[in-house]
Amino acid sequence: DIQMTQSPSTLSASVGDRVTITCRASQSISSWLAWYQQKPGKAPKLLIYKASSLESGVPSRFSGSGSGTEFTLTINSLQPDDFATYYCQQYNSYLWTFGQGTKVEIK
Amino acid sequence: QLQLQESGPGLVKPSETLSLTCTVSGGSISSGFYYWGWIRQPPGKGLEWIGSIYYSGSTYSNPSLKSRVTISADTSKNQFSLNLSSLTAADTAVYYCARHDEGATHFHYWGQGTLVTVSS
Repeated sequence: DIQMTQSPSTLSASVGDRVTITCRASQSISSWLAWYQQKPGKAPKLLIYKASSLESGVPSRFSGSGSGTEFTLTINSLQPDDFATYYCQQYNSYLWTFGQGTKVEIK
Repeated sequence: QLQLQESGPGLVKPSETLSLTCTVSGGSISSGFYYWGWIRQPPGKGLEWIGSIYYSGSTYSNPSLKSRVTISADTSKNQFSLNLSSLTAADTAVYYCARHDEGATHFHYWGQGTLVTVSS
């Protein structure tokens, strides 16, 4: 099975900061990686799919990059609404796996 | 706008079988080339994919849960269901249903989730 490892687990940042979260796959997944944002008590919300495609309606300050085994989610100019937990998710051969999550906290 | 809604018991006893249903509105589960899935999240922890069903009826499950998972669909009711057997306290979680994208690579639409507690 493909394992997904996110880093860091927790990130403290201020409004206006540029934030980067990394997700590493245990083997190559091409570009089949998605990013989600989850707030307490809510379902995850899709932000990025196919590593770098921005979901409709998601602010352009969110961007994704990478391929193979290493991927990043970048949030430019962090906004108050962005404090949440972020998960990566891979797809490979009819198996879907999530990373353990990165909580973005207010510094 | 596609909407998904989970329903089922909030409390189940250990060793019993959990049965959850996802009712879909704003679209048909039998139209298009979509997978429909179940994901869970233990309190304070991360997300775990449980399994998915294709509109044609093919199913796929997480290898770690495979022997306990059954996913089915009732196209007449526009619903799909999850049965998870031999429950333990470790199965306590919020259970989400979701629809994959057309390529099945990610989860595009999610239900709001339902908390299931396993306790005697």
